[in-house]
Amino acid sequence: DTGVSQNPRHKITKRGQNVTFRCDPISEHNRLYWYRQTLGQGPEFLTYFQNEAQLEKSRLLSDRFSAERPKGSFSTLEIQRTEQGDSAMYLCATQLGDEQFFGPGTRLTVL
Amino acid sequence: RKEVEQDPGPFNVPEGATVAFNCTYSNSASQSFFWYRQDCRKEPKLLMSVYSSGNEDGRFTAQLNRASQYISLLIRDSKLSDSATYLCVVKYSNSGYALNFGKGTSLLVTP
Repeated sequence: DTGVSQNPRHKITKRGQNVTFRCDPISEHNRLYWYRQTLGQGPEFLTYFQNEAQLEKSRLLSDRFSAERPKGSFSTLEIQRTEQGDSAMYLCATQLGDEQFFGPGTRLTVL
Repeated sequence: RKEVEQDPGPFNVPEGATVAFNCTYSNSASQSFFWYRQDCRKEPKLLMSVYSSGNEDGRFTAQLNRASQYISLLIRDSKLSDSATYLCVVKYSNSGYALNFGKGTSLLVTP
């Protein structure tokens, strides 16, 4: 499979726990994005990397959220001290030209 | 007020019908426009880009009116497989490369 992959696909956690998600991009795509999508809404932008540099962060990305992309390859998104409002689908996307290719997402449920 | 507005629907149409979706955007510094398709519990996928001159891809026609800040998608001869959520997407020239999504319009094509 040469598309964007994300792990895990599903995560259930208790409020207050930390969670980390991983995104493996399409290999030749140097731009990587994280989005969050809740039920009935379109995806909302969280952050953007060009290679290993994090160039843009949304105001949605509170200080409990941190994203990294060491060596400009895979990326991780960590949420600390999860809250019920963090329950959502977290989507990773990479870009070639004008098109963004999305991974299958990680569905997070915070109990 | 959300920056990209769509009628959420649902639009229920019979097979073979023609259906049109509309979208408005509020940021005049808009650079690129797209329609993405999202199937239930799947990731969004690019359906088509939208150009100022209008463009067509098979049964799908997209139109852009920059003066009115309005985008449309027309689906002719709708198929059962067209049932999905259609997301209007705008990329702004002053916000990096992040995509700004509408909430999506739900389409159900019935036999």
